[in-house]
Amino acid sequence: AQKVTQAQTEISVVEKEDVTLDCVYETRDTTYYLFWYKQPPSGELVFLIRRNSFDEQNEISGRYSWNFQKSTSSFNFTITASQVVDSAVYFCALLDNDMRFGAGTRLTVKP
Amino acid sequence: NAGVTQTPKFQVLKTGQSMTLQCAQDMNHNSMYWYRQDPGMGLRLIYYSASEGTTDKGEVPNGYNVSRLNKREFSLRLESAAPSQTSVYFCASSEATLGGANTGELFFGEGSRLTVL
Repeated sequence: AQKVTQAQTEISVVEKEDVTLDCVYETRDTTYYLFWYKQPPSGELVFLIRRNSFDEQNEISGRYSWNFQKSTSSFNFTITASQVVDSAVYFCALLDNDMRFGAGTRLTVKP
Repeated sequence: NAGVTQTPKFQVLKTGQSMTLQCAQDMNHNSMYWYRQDPGMGLRLIYYSASEGTTDKGEVPNGYNVSRLNKREFSLRLESAAPSQTSVYFCASSEATLGGANTGELFFGEGSRLTVL
């Protein structure tokens, strides 16, 4: 059965620190997609990134970067030079037969 | 742009009462989903509809029913509410059929906070 594990329940950093959010997944399918979503204090869910299982290229978007490693079934998310506005709950998700989410990591960035 | 609209945003029920959460999307998406969010549990899939006329169980379907009324609308019904169903419910839609070749990016509604006393 598919499963997404975000072992870090809460992380607290000081502004300008780098922070990595871990995501480990399980699936029997060879074709699947991985996602990261952000849920700020306002409560809406915001799509950040999608990777498919055939594309292990890492991606960088501004201060955000993602490291996808099939060998370890991980899809980690790094925020460089964190800012207070990055404070949110971040969810990793796996799509194969349906879309399953991890339990989320609450990131607090202190000024 | 309305996107995904859920109603009601807040609801308080007594144990045993029934209610329906409504969801509508105006993006012409094929797939629609209902999730519940509980502290420490993340988002758990209740039911989904890969396309108009089809529905499938997700991770936690017990106590719920759904109806894909048309391509726009996907409702979630609690026939006999229980305190364990106290949660925030999110509806989402996606252009892609589950497992298909497209993105699978979900567009979420604002959530419906349900309390069952």
